[in-house]
Amino acid sequence: TQLLEQSPQFLSIQEGENLTVYCNSSSVFSSLQWYRQEPGEGPVLLVTVVTGGEVKKLKRLTFQFGDARKDSSLHITAAQPGDTGLYLCAPSEGYQKVTFGTGTKLQVIP
Amino acid sequence: EPEVTQTPSHQVTQMGQEVILRCVPISNHLYFYWYRQILGQKVEFLVSFYNNEISEKSEIFDDQFSVERPDGSNFTLKIRSTKLEDSAMYFCASSVDRGRSPLHFGNGTRLTVT
Repeated sequence: TQLLEQSPQFLSIQEGENLTVYCNSSSVFSSLQWYRQEPGEGPVLLVTVVTGGEVKKLKRLTFQFGDARKDSSLHITAAQPGDTGLYLCAPSEGYQKVTFGTGTKLQVIP
Repeated sequence: EPEVTQTPSHQVTQMGQEVILRCVPISNHLYFYWYRQILGQKVEFLVSFYNNEISEKSEIFDDQFSVERPDGSNFTLKIRSTKLEDSAMYFCASSVDRGRSPLHFGNGTRLTVT
């Protein structure tokens, strides 16, 4: 089982601020997914990163996969209250199960 | 857009009782999963199911748990004799394939064991 550490565990920021959250492991992934879970709902896929060094943008969200494919980051520009939620990373490489990281709980205060 | 539906949204049961949590996965998906999230904690894998049999299960998924796809559309999780520590949100998910296919989650069933 791959251990995924996410940091920070909790983040509370003001609307309009920028932030970065991290997903780290000692294992190499062939690809990695980011999900967001809003209160009272199931996780929803945001993006899959595949290639080492890859950068993907989803509006104000920028995802980067580390060159060594052992880590990933999510940067949010000008955070909005709608970005509030639990951000989860998970490897996605043909395993039967998807094992989530510990998650970063983000609160954006209006 | 098709979605995974779970019923009930909230289930309260007494310790020692059996509960069945129900899920209707997306119709063309082939892989099915149950996850659990204890309040304030991480989303934990319980079991995956493919071709009418369990593909993989975690150490949490002991003899008290079972899964079934009784009729080609429903996917159920049964807890035979509930314990207080089974209180959690239970999420069903499905995917069209394994690997890089995304998991589509339902909105969960909140199980409260008293």
